Amino acid sequence: EIVLTQSPATLSLSPGERATLSCRASQSLSNFLTWYQQKPGQAPRLLIYDASYRATGIPARFSGSGSGTDFTLTISSLEPEDFAVYYCQQRTNWPYRYTFGQGTKLEIK
Amino acid sequence: QVQLVESGGGVVQPGRSLRLSCAASGFTFSRYGMHWVRQAPGKGLEWVAVISYDEDNIYYADSVKGRFTISRDNSKNTLYLQMNSLRAEDTAVYYCAKDMEEIAVAGFFDVGGQGTLVTVSS
Repeated sequence: EIVLTQSPATLSLSPGERATLSCRASQSLSNFLTWYQQKPGQAPRLLIYDASYRATGIPARFSGSGSGTDFTLTISSLEPEDFAVYYCQQRTNWPYRYTFGQGTKLEIK
Repeated sequence: QVQLVESGGGVVQPGRSLRLSCAASGFTFSRYGMHWVRQAPGKGLEWVAVISYDEDNIYYADSVKGRFTISRDNSKNTLYLQMNSLRAEDTAVYYCAKDMEEIAVAGFFDVGGQGTLVTVSS
């Protein structure tokens, strides 16, 4: 089973600062890595797919990078609405277990 | 716009069964794979199951395999999750979600519902 490890567990930053979130896989994913944002009481929101492609309607301040086992989500300049929990998810074709990382909580400092 | 509305959650005793439904609208339901994802209270997301547009491909998380069954009725634009032999650890909000790609199962989703809470307790 592929395990995704996100770090840090909690990130405390101020609006306007740059956020860097990490997701590390236990085996190579090629670029099959997805990022979601989740706010309390809401469904997850798709941000980035295939490591670096922004989903429709996602602001340009969100970017994704990486391949293989190491991936990064960067928010270039935090807006108040960006404080939430972020999850990575892998989608390798075998064994069709689309597992999530444990999440990174981005909180206001 | 795309809308997914889950229903069927509630309180159920361990060992009993429950069936969740997800009514879809705003897109051609019959052309997309669909997922169930769950979230235990205060915990992270857990992918549960996926079904392809034509039901030919169905996959489950190991934690629910053999107990849960995902199905769909394309004539009713509805997704289902039959949950049997429920355990306390199945307590969670269950979300249905639309796969990103048409026909092929991409393995990630671009729209999710608001979820329905399942509580397994005696």
